[in-house]
Amino acid sequence: DSGVTQTPKHLITATGQRVTLRCSPRSGDLSVYWYQQSLDQGLQFLIQYYNGEERAKGNILERFSAQQFPDLHSELNLSSLELGDSALYFCASSVGGTGYNEQFFGPGTRLTVL
Amino acid sequence: DAKTTQPNSMESNEEEPVHLPCNHSTISGTDYIHWYRQLPSQGPEYVIHGLTSNVNNRMASLAIAEDRKSSTLILHRATLRDAAVYYCILRTNYGGSQGNLIFGKGTKLSVKP
Repeated sequence: DSGVTQTPKHLITATGQRVTLRCSPRSGDLSVYWYQQSLDQGLQFLIQYYNGEERAKGNILERFSAQQFPDLHSELNLSSLELGDSALYFCASSVGGTGYNEQFFGPGTRLTVL
Repeated sequence: DAKTTQPNSMESNEEEPVHLPCNHSTISGTDYIHWYRQLPSQGPEYVIHGLTSNVNNRMASLAIAEDRKSSTLILHRATLRDAAVYYCILRTNYGGSQGNLIFGKGTKLSVKP
């Protein structure tokens, strides 16, 4: 158990819909990362927050957005869903926000868009 | 982040040592070598990291070539639970560096009983 929790575990929805994925980081970790894992693209970084502020952006679509709240939990919002958005979404957390800190990953949310 | 090259797959027998190679010929002086692994149906997990010297922890050992252009992750006695995809990732640690991991395709390790 990494200490990072993600809800829900599974999500099935239809094209065009909007969903919210939630992540609670490990106690004491200030940084939260979101990654997407699909069969054809592998694991890809989406976005990073550090202590409530956006720190870095990766290959995140404009239809996707995220935020980190004062209690440090984070939400990833996916809108106007397409079939290609079906993937595993992982949240990770770390103490700091730079390229040294070990990241702890949650169990992921499996999103299926029908 | 600099690029790494790993074999697509490797096989090992249970209770034997496993050496997982990684080439990183364009590594810079500020790049740390990190290894993560992803067990089936789980999120990635940290394994080990190093800069120049060989490193040991409870999970594995990391051997780094003198010129730092390659490294090897060593599992001393593979168990069935070690079957996973292993990712070798270079990470730069300086004030302006980003913290995100850049995953390649990794090496899929199969362990035979």
